[in-house]
Amino acid sequence: DSGVTQTPKHLITATGQRVTLRCSPRSGDLSVYWYQQSLDQGLQFLIHYYNGEERAKGNILERFSAQQFPDLHSELNLSSLELGDSALYFCASSATSHNEQFFGPGTRLTVL
Amino acid sequence: AQRVTQPEKLLSVFKGAPVELKCNYSYSGSPELFWYVQYSRQRLQLLLRHISRESIKGFTADLNKGETSFHLKKPFAQEEDSAMYYCALSGSNFGNEKLTFGTGTRLTIIP
Repeated sequence: DSGVTQTPKHLITATGQRVTLRCSPRSGDLSVYWYQQSLDQGLQFLIHYYNGEERAKGNILERFSAQQFPDLHSELNLSSLELGDSALYFCASSATSHNEQFFGPGTRLTVL
Repeated sequence: AQRVTQPEKLLSVFKGAPVELKCNYSYSGSPELFWYVQYSRQRLQLLLRHISRESIKGFTADLNKGETSFHLKKPFAQEEDSAMYYCALSGSNFGNEKLTFGTGTRLTIIP
């Protein structure tokens, strides 16, 4: 077990709603990454935080935001949800920015 | 721009036969290349990274900078190798540590 945890495992919600996905990195890991996996786009990088600060942004919509808290856990907030936001959202952590990334089990979001 | 291409979506191989999963990349600097594996209903796990030059579960991968390839190989396939395999690239510069993934290859080992 890599130690990265994500909650919830599954989330079903309606269009227009807002949800928060949570990630707890492995103990001691300072970097947290968020990825989206969908059937049409594959695995896409969303955002990277290092020790509480945003390090890099990828293909993240303006409706999406994230933060990393002092205890190093991270939250991904998705608002004004659309059908196309349905996907698996993975969190990964690493000790530093250049170490191996360990992935969580993912949160499956279904927007109806 | 960085890109990873895995040309085969599906690959079926008989047990005991050699396996090769193809991966080509595009990156202007010195990338770090990885292979991740996802077994059924499990999370993504790192299988190999090119800088470690290890052999994991009998798999090896050599970085060929001339051909910009990082193909994954195993001489004798086993049934437990059936999984989804992703090739990924990470940049070497500050702020580019994210992973860029290929579309993945689903490997099925036929008993």
